[in-house]
Amino acid sequence: DAGITQSPRHKVTETGTPVTLRCHQTENHRYMYWYRQDPGHGLRLIHYSYGVKDTDKGEVSDGYSVSRSKTEDFLLTLESATSSQTSVYFCALRDTDGDTQYFGPGTRLTVL
Amino acid sequence: QQQVKQSPQSLIVQKGGISIINCAYENTAFDYFPWYQQFPGKGPALLIAIRPDVSEKKEGRFTISFNKSAKQFSLHIMDSQPGDSATYFCAATHASGGSYIPTFGRGTSLIVHP
Repeated sequence: DAGITQSPRHKVTETGTPVTLRCHQTENHRYMYWYRQDPGHGLRLIHYSYGVKDTDKGEVSDGYSVSRSKTEDFLLTLESATSSQTSVYFCALRDTDGDTQYFGPGTRLTVL
Repeated sequence: QQQVKQSPQSLIVQKGGISIINCAYENTAFDYFPWYQQFPGKGPALLIAIRPDVSEKKEGRFTISFNKSAKQFSLHIMDSQPGDSATYFCAATHASGGSYIPTFGRGTSLIVHP
């Protein structure tokens, strides 16, 4: 499983509140990614990181920000959660020796 | 813009049958084509992958067929089993270009009836 954990695994919050999801890895991979998964849309990239403090936007970055202050942690923040951000969020990292992505177990977020 | 089109969206097969999922891509720079398998409540996991220098790759009951000229690739699951019931995603990456950003298909929900 490439040593990826996500926290929390489930969260229910209210519209307008800030939410931070954490992705933690234990194997010093350089590239880390945040995706959201919604029925009919598959996996959509929110943000990714290619090193400490090096991040870039994906195709659905509006309303999300990220931070990576150390190699092992990649944080996804919803500054003011909206109901449209109800989704399952997956963190992933890129295999050092290849092009495979390893995914975390996911966080189910519900915004009421 | 959907750069990788996956079909069908859902698929039901009987145990022992062949499951076939197709993907088509547009960007000829793509050079790595993985398939991911996702069980309910879990993250996707790599199932099998191919590079465009070969036309077919087989691992057990799972085979990728790759048609470079048609810009298509497909996953074949032989002797499908109920345990294969999952969502399958194809993806494509321009790895040699330093992108490391895969483009995913929208997924296929496979149900194998016993």
